[in-house]
Amino acid sequence: GIQVEQSPPDLILQEGANSTLRCNFSDSVNNLQWFHQNPWGQLINLFYIPSGTKQNGRLSATTVATERYSLLYISSSQTTDSGVYFCAVGPYSGAGSYQLTFGKGTKLSVIP
Amino acid sequence: EAQVTQNPRYLITVTGKKLTVTCSQNMNHEYMSWYRQDPGLGLRQIYYSMNVEVTDKGDVPEGYKVSRKEKRNFPLILESPSPNQTSLYFCASSLKGEGGGYTFGSGTRLTVV
Repeated sequence: GIQVEQSPPDLILQEGANSTLRCNFSDSVNNLQWFHQNPWGQLINLFYIPSGTKQNGRLSATTVATERYSLLYISSSQTTDSGVYFCAVGPYSGAGSYQLTFGKGTKLSVIP
Repeated sequence: EAQVTQNPRYLITVTGKKLTVTCSQNMNHEYMSWYRQDPGLGLRQIYYSMNVEVTDKGDVPEGYKVSRKEKRNFPLILESPSPNQTSLYFCASSLKGEGGGYTFGSGTRLTVV
């Protein structure tokens, strides 16, 4: 099956700093999503972004499908950004594009 | 409010006692899925459903059953729970097609003793 690798596994930032999280995947995808799992365990969808660039407030994401990677940018980080960020992908395959495979995540800690 | 509702949030049960975790969504989504999350193993798909009466196995279906009799509901059934099914379970739903981002439920923390 498709492999998803996220880097870095852990990241500690001072409040106000910027960061870039990376997601590499091993095959062509028709579905790519970024999620944030907060310290209480809730999973929140950040972006649906199989290709191109999107922005939502301080967060933006870019997926270069031809090179099989996606980047999540967090600017002016806040303590509420802490948690684990997951990348998940679905392959080109009809129904399969909804069967997401998740990466192991990047654990972000933002300190005041 | 658009949401996916899972119940219960927490459950402690004994080995072999059948249980059902309910999942309901109010967004008229076609696609629903169950995942389990375990330390070191991440999120793994158990079962998914593309629409009413259409279900299929994910990566770790052993020991679980599902049904999709109505579009809004997708219960997860453990016929004979075992301790290795102790985990955090998430239900998710999405639209088909462009922009089909997942919406997750709040999770069910299950402990089987």
